[in-house]
Amino acid sequence: IQLTQSPSSLSASVGDRVTITCRASQGIGSHLAWYQQKPGKAPDLLIYAASTLQSGVPSRFSGSVTGTDFTLTISSLQPEDFATYYCQHLKSYPFTFGQGTRLEIK
Amino acid sequence: EVQLVESGGGFVQPGGSLRLSCAASGFFFGNYWMDWVRQAPGRGLEWVANIGPNGGDKNYVDSVKGRFTVSRDNAKNSLYLEMNSLRVEDTAVYYCVAAIVGMGGRMYLDSWGQGALVNVSS
Repeated sequence: IQLTQSPSSLSASVGDRVTITCRASQGIGSHLAWYQQKPGKAPDLLIYAASTLQSGVPSRFSGSVTGTDFTLTISSLQPEDFATYYCQHLKSYPFTFGQGTRLEIK
Repeated sequence: EVQLVESGGGFVQPGGSLRLSCAASGFFFGNYWMDWVRQAPGRGLEWVANIGPNGGDKNYVDSVKGRFTVSRDNAKNSLYLEMNSLRVEDTAVYYCVAAIVGMGGRMYLDSWGQGALVNVSS
């Protein structure tokens, strides 16, 4: 199963609403997670089961799914949100990741 | 608080071997799936392998099958990755990850170690 994220990179400003998409090459149900990674750090789990917010993650993050298209939305960008975001499926082995979306400050 | 601390990384020549260890604390280690995820320098994340709670179920990405072996010692709260026949393309930071959060029959990778660098070079 392949995951294709779009865009690969994105420039946005504090306060913007941002959407990142992850398309699966076949049906994976809701078995998808989103991670945030900052330079030199391990990834942090943001969203699991496509739309469930991990404990401690701000409510400005949300996830949704339509068919094989998954979306991560940040409703109002904060300075600490500039990072790289990855999706990962857990439908079957291997649990592949998307190629990542780098979110930069405009 | 969940803590995962990797050790055993370093420099190795192509064809060589290395064993990574991960010491876990702050949760009941023997109840959960554990994964290894790697990240080559400047690249994205790659899931490598995982192992079930009792050590009987193991899964690997194709590129490491037959070369890497994942194991665990629940009495020592420890996870291992034995890496043989190492290749230049195995160079990466290797993360130990606990899959504690579950929903819909899947356990998600929610607690990550700080990573251990493996550098395969001649």
